[in-house]
Amino acid sequence: GQNIDQPTEMTATEGAIVQINCTYQTSGFNGLFWYQQHAGEAPTFLSYNVLDGLEEKGRFSSFLSRSKGYSYLLLKELQMKDSASYLCAVRDSNYQLIWGAGTKLIIKP
Amino acid sequence: ETGVTQTPRHLVMGMTNKKSLKCEQHLGHNAMYWYKQSAKKPLELMFVYSLEERVENNSVPSRFSPECPNSSHLFLHLHTLQPEDSALYLCASSQDGTGSAEAFFGQGTRLTVV
Repeated sequence: GQNIDQPTEMTATEGAIVQINCTYQTSGFNGLFWYQQHAGEAPTFLSYNVLDGLEEKGRFSSFLSRSKGYSYLLLKELQMKDSASYLCAVRDSNYQLIWGAGTKLIIKP
Repeated sequence: ETGVTQTPRHLVMGMTNKKSLKCEQHLGHNAMYWYKQSAKKPLELMFVYSLEERVENNSVPSRFSPECPNSSHLFLHLHTLQPEDSALYLCASSQDGTGSAEAFFGQGTRLTVV
């Protein structure tokens, strides 16, 4: 079956760096997405990786290794507003998005 | 403002009721989706419409019935639901269903079945 694994919850300190990992087993691969979802709000797009390597976008970076079925989202200079759930999703060979359950990130002062 | 609007935001319904969820997108996208989001579970894709035609139906019970009258509107008709159907129902749209086209989500409808 197809599966996306990410930690259920993580805690980090304001101003610090945190890395949220995502591993996947899917039938084919056509890209990996990261979304941010604040409580009670819509998920919003953060990043897209289809080739191996690091994509940097401001304080957020996303890394992909297709051979390892692995990605991470790196958040730098954490702010209180970064407290949210972070969703990893992979587009499989049928272009269907397979979603992880999300990682709830708690930022402490 | 996400460009995708869902109504109502909250809905409480009995198991014998019939209700409908509405989604509207103002982004000119060709694909629209219904997802179910339950606590601590992955997003579950329910239905996909591309150019107003249903292209995906992930074995969703018939008590959920989608309707896509045009590329900007999507409905989810609900009847004789069960308590386990209580969840957040999210609508999304994308330019198309392939490649790097990211999905834009609505705020969701929080559904409680009593």
